[in-house]
Amino acid sequence: NAGVTQTPKFRVLKTGQSMTLLCAQDMNHEYMYWYRQDPGMGLRLIHYSVGEGTTAKGEVPDGYNVSRLKKQNFLLGLESAAPSQTSVYFCASTYSFISPQETQYFGPGTRLLVL
Amino acid sequence: AQSVTQPDIHITVSEGASLELRCNYSYGATPYLFWYVQSPGQGLQLLLKYFSGDTLVQGIKGFEAEFKRSQSSFNLRKPSVHWSDAAEYFCAVGATDNTDKLIFGTGTRLQVFP
Repeated sequence: NAGVTQTPKFRVLKTGQSMTLLCAQDMNHEYMYWYRQDPGMGLRLIHYSVGEGTTAKGEVPDGYNVSRLKKQNFLLGLESAAPSQTSVYFCASTYSFISPQETQYFGPGTRLLVL
Repeated sequence: AQSVTQPDIHITVSEGASLELRCNYSYGATPYLFWYVQSPGQGLQLLLKYFSGDTLVQGIKGFEAEFKRSQSSFNLRKPSVHWSDAAEYFCAVGATDNTDKLIFGTGTRLQVFP
């Protein structure tokens, strides 16, 4: 049981380049999320999914796209990277908050530098 | 809209001293409340969660938090801090709109002196 994994761990892009970040979970969770973390700003939600084939915008969706073709995978795409997208990206998943034992489980993060 | 405020950006304590990290939330109904810890270069680990019932919640690593509805607060406490507790701490409130989204505070960085 690997939990939540993220690929890659670190990436350097030039302005205008594109890339895809992959998040995978093996816990059969319905809900998946992409956050970005910037100094002094906590974690901000980019996009999320409440089930296979669904996606929705979070707090800071501009410049990003997502897809959830398979239940276990949630992809975050940057079509044309900008220096403002330099950040640490975290993926998370959960089954449901209703269960007292449940919470969001986080991946280890992807550090992205856009030059 | 839901929001979370962590008024202390940075706190420094001596090893062995007690600790209280503040968290205030804005939400109309009874929220789900969380505290996470993040060590440098790591992901987030859940310390504890308030779901319902007893307002004093026990977590891992000797942490506890108390939900006070009248003050809209969910402060994190530890009676005796260890050097390994140095990290960033995030308070979060869970959305109850069937999206299970989390709204995070901006975090409190804890520094521990020997």
